[in-house]
Amino acid sequence: ETGVTQSPTHLIKTRGQQVTLRCSSQSGHNTVSWYQQALGQGPQFIFQYYREEENGRGNFPPRFSGLQFPNYSSELNVNALELDDSALYLCASSLDWTPSTDTQYFGPGTRLTVL
Amino acid sequence: DQQVKQNSPSLSVQEGRISILNCDYTNSMFDYFLWYKKYPAEGPTFLISISSIKDKNEDGRFTVFLNKSAKHLSLHIVPSQPGDSAVYFCAASVGGSYQLTFGKGTKLSVIP
Repeated sequence: ETGVTQSPTHLIKTRGQQVTLRCSSQSGHNTVSWYQQALGQGPQFIFQYYREEENGRGNFPPRFSGLQFPNYSSELNVNALELDDSALYLCASSLDWTPSTDTQYFGPGTRLTVL
Repeated sequence: DQQVKQNSPSLSVQEGRISILNCDYTNSMFDYFLWYKKYPAEGPTFLISISSIKDKNEDGRFTVFLNKSAKHLSLHIVPSQPGDSAVYFCAASVGGSYQLTFGKGTKLSVIP
């Protein structure tokens, strides 16, 4: 039990639609990161938020956006869905932004299928 | 361009023996490395990490070795147990951040 929850567990959308995925971190965790894991691949870093500000972004287009809220919840929004967006989306939270002082905890993920 | 590579998709080991999982990286700016374990239908779980200023870190049955000149790290599990059967991911970061670059993973099967 990591204390990180994600909703929904599974989601099916059609191409061109928009989707919002949600993550609830452990209380006090100031950092949340989002990853996309395609089938047979490792997780790929999308972006990271620290105290409600984006402080790092991977190689993903602007149609991937996020929010982090004061209550330690966060959202990943994807606009204009494409077939290649089908993947497991993982959020991970930690107290701080560096693994040298802190452990990062992953949620179980949301499986998004785009038809 | 894959900056973190786990070239063995799978590995089978007898219970009680040593499991050695390997990882290679190409980005010389990486300065922190982590190993995660993932069971089906669960998120990755942190296992062990190592800073680039060290060449070995040990935690119970798990030891990570880092060879910076070869840009290679390995995870040793001794002795291997059936509960260790999972997918193992190697990850790396620049500047010691949590913006991680992952490998594709190695599926470890420990046979009783």
